[in-house]
Amino acid sequence: GAGVSQSPRYKVAKRGQDVALRCDPISGHVSLFWYQQALGQGPEFLTYFQNEAQLDKSGLPSDRFFAERPEGSVSTLKIQRTQQEDSAVYLCASSLVASGGPDGETQYFGPGTRLLVL
Amino acid sequence: AQTVTQSQPEMSVQEAETVTLSCTYDTSENNYYLFWYKQPPSRQMILVIRQEAYKQQNATENRFSVNFQKAAKSFSLKISDSQLGDTAMYFCAFILNDMRFGAGTRLTVKP
Repeated sequence: GAGVSQSPRYKVAKRGQDVALRCDPISGHVSLFWYQQALGQGPEFLTYFQNEAQLDKSGLPSDRFFAERPEGSVSTLKIQRTQQEDSAVYLCASSLVASGGPDGETQYFGPGTRLLVL
Repeated sequence: AQTVTQSQPEMSVQEAETVTLSCTYDTSENNYYLFWYKQPPSRQMILVIRQEAYKQQNATENRFSVNFQKAAKSFSLKISDSQLGDTAMYFCAFILNDMRFGAGTRLTVKP
């Protein structure tokens, strides 16, 4: 498909388990974003990539969270030693360019991965 | 720091009527982008409309239009001829270096 895809759609983890969430952005999109959305809340920014470079990781809540985009396309968000407070929907979005241009700033979202930590 | 405020947690409207969702934001910058996103129960975030801050003309997309008041830092969304499929969470978002979202407004369109 032409949209942003994420996998898995649902993940149940036991507390302390490591998880990896995958995002496939729209082909050709330079920028990739990860967000965390708690139930009943708006998305909260986690981190941002421009191609393979992670330009902003100020939103990552702890050093248990790690994101990578080694070849500038697919990205993985990894959460180590999951805690119950990590339960949320993790959204990935991509945009065409870093900035500028008539449509450069619009972010297109994937369906999200719902993570439940027991 | 940029903040986005949506003061209406829930709203409802009768089918075919008009509803306005409010959004205010805070920034000291002059050039930025504003968005309204829709998130149906399926949770896929869908772009509704966008506005560049340097444009004075309010953006319009079919039944959706915005009232952008830059001086007041207000960015409301008007939905005309509401349809049952408009039922969703609506998020106002602001982007400068990263995107900040409001807490959302849950809109229910009643038949």
